[in-house]
Amino acid sequence: KQEVTQIPAALSVPEGENLVLNCSFTDSAIYNLQWFRQDPGKGLTSLLLIQSSQREQTSGRLNASLDKSSGRSTLYIAASQPGDSATYLCAVRPSTGFQKLVFGTGTRLLVSP
Amino acid sequence: NAGVMQNPRHLVRRRGQEARLRCSPMKGHSHVYWYRQLPEEGLKFMVYLQKENIIDESGMPKERFSAEFPKEGPSILRIQQVVRGDSAAYFCASSVGEYNEQFFGPGTRLTVL
Repeated sequence: KQEVTQIPAALSVPEGENLVLNCSFTDSAIYNLQWFRQDPGKGLTSLLLIQSSQREQTSGRLNASLDKSSGRSTLYIAASQPGDSATYLCAVRPSTGFQKLVFGTGTRLLVSP
Repeated sequence: NAGVMQNPRHLVRRRGQEARLRCSPMKGHSHVYWYRQLPEEGLKFMVYLQKENIIDESGMPKERFSAEFPKEGPSILRIQQVVRGDSAAYFCASSVGEYNEQFFGPGTRLTVL
C-alpha cells in the first residue's frame, strides 16, 4: 500500500530564504508525482507535475525533483515571499490503481516579512 | 473555460440529516473523482466515476455514502444520516481521460452539528 510522508509538517522562515520541502513515498511504482498548494479554506492549486520518466520540473521560483528509486521528491522554493505562505501537498499517482492520487499530509509554510 | 465547480461551498447539517454535494466537471471532462480531507489529515480518495458508471468506490465508507454521475447534470456525493465524524472538506476533481491530470474544485466544507 502506497504511503506518502511529508517533512517537515510545518516550517516558518523569514522572507527571502530559499527552502526545501520533502516528500517520500513507499512504493516506487508510480505514474507521476504532483505538488499542490492549498490556501486556508480553499481548493488545491497544482504547482508542478513530474512524470515518472522525468527527474525535475521548474516553474518560476519553484523547482521539483523526483528520485523514483529512492522514493523521494523535493520542492525547492527560491527567494521565498509572504505570498508563498500556504500548505504544500505532495501527491503520488501509483502505476496500479492510477486513478487514485495518494496524498501526504502536507507542509504548512509561513513566510514572515 | 470554467474550472471544476462545487456547490455548496459550505454546508451545515444536524446529525441524522442528509447531505448532498454537487460537482460539475470541467467542460469536456467525463471522469470525476471525489476525495475527503478530514481535519489535520491528507486528502483520501473516495470514488471514481465516469458518466453513468462507478468505476472504483474502494475508498467509500460501506454505509450511508453513495455517489452518482448521471448522463446529464453534475456528479452527486450523497451522505445519509450524517454523523459528526463526517465533518470534513470534500473535494471533487475531473479529468479528460483516466490517464490525464486531475483538476480540483474548491471543495465543499461540511459541518455536522
